[in-house]
Amino acid sequence: QKEVEQNSGPLSVPEGAIASLNCTYSDRVSQSFFWYRQYSGKSPELIMSIYSNGDKEDGRFTAQLNKASQYVSLLIRDSQPSDSATYLCAVNGLGGATNKLIFGTGTLLAVQP
Amino acid sequence: ETGVTQTPRHLVMGMTNKKSLKCEQHLGHNAMYWYKQSAKKPLELMFVYSLEERVENNSVPSRFSPECPNSSHLFLHLHTLQPEDSALYLCASSQEVQSIYGYTFGSGTRLTVV
Repeated sequence: QKEVEQNSGPLSVPEGAIASLNCTYSDRVSQSFFWYRQYSGKSPELIMSIYSNGDKEDGRFTAQLNKASQYVSLLIRDSQPSDSATYLCAVNGLGGATNKLIFGTGTLLAVQP
Repeated sequence: ETGVTQTPRHLVMGMTNKKSLKCEQHLGHNAMYWYKQSAKKPLELMFVYSLEERVENNSVPSRFSPECPNSSHLFLHLHTLQPEDSALYLCASSQEVQSIYGYTFGSGTRLTVV
């Protein structure tokens, strides 16, 4: 089983719609969860972090965490063509000398004008 | 700019060449990382440094040799690479190696091995 799983997409939504991106993880003791946005040919950019169960909102972005189900999601309201990118889910994994980040393969989001 | 600078942005090298990737962070962070990003694969952690000391090496082939002379600089020395090593190499930093916060990434070096 992959440590962090995401649907690779592409996820296509019309402009103005809500985009819903999902991620599951295997390590039950994970404590920190992140969403990164990566435009084609660019580096990942941190857009959201969440540490406790429930919802966390920041502008048009809402991160949702359910530790019991080992599930984290990202909602993008009023999607814009500029939101088109790959969204990487990352989970802070315990073990070894570091709390290293484990990444999923990413979900490609395409917002259609 | 993210505060993490990588050079060069693009690199083409032959399999017998020796080259180095450079990373510099201006964030006052104590931990630095090298990641490899290949198409259709998750980001792969290669090396972790905490205050210039290597604390993790994820079974990376010896043709990749990291160096961290101080907490602000990180290098990845490359020699006798293979075509399958072609990828985007990303440097990242964080406040501490045990930080619960996310990493800040540099813009990456797109490496092509011919």
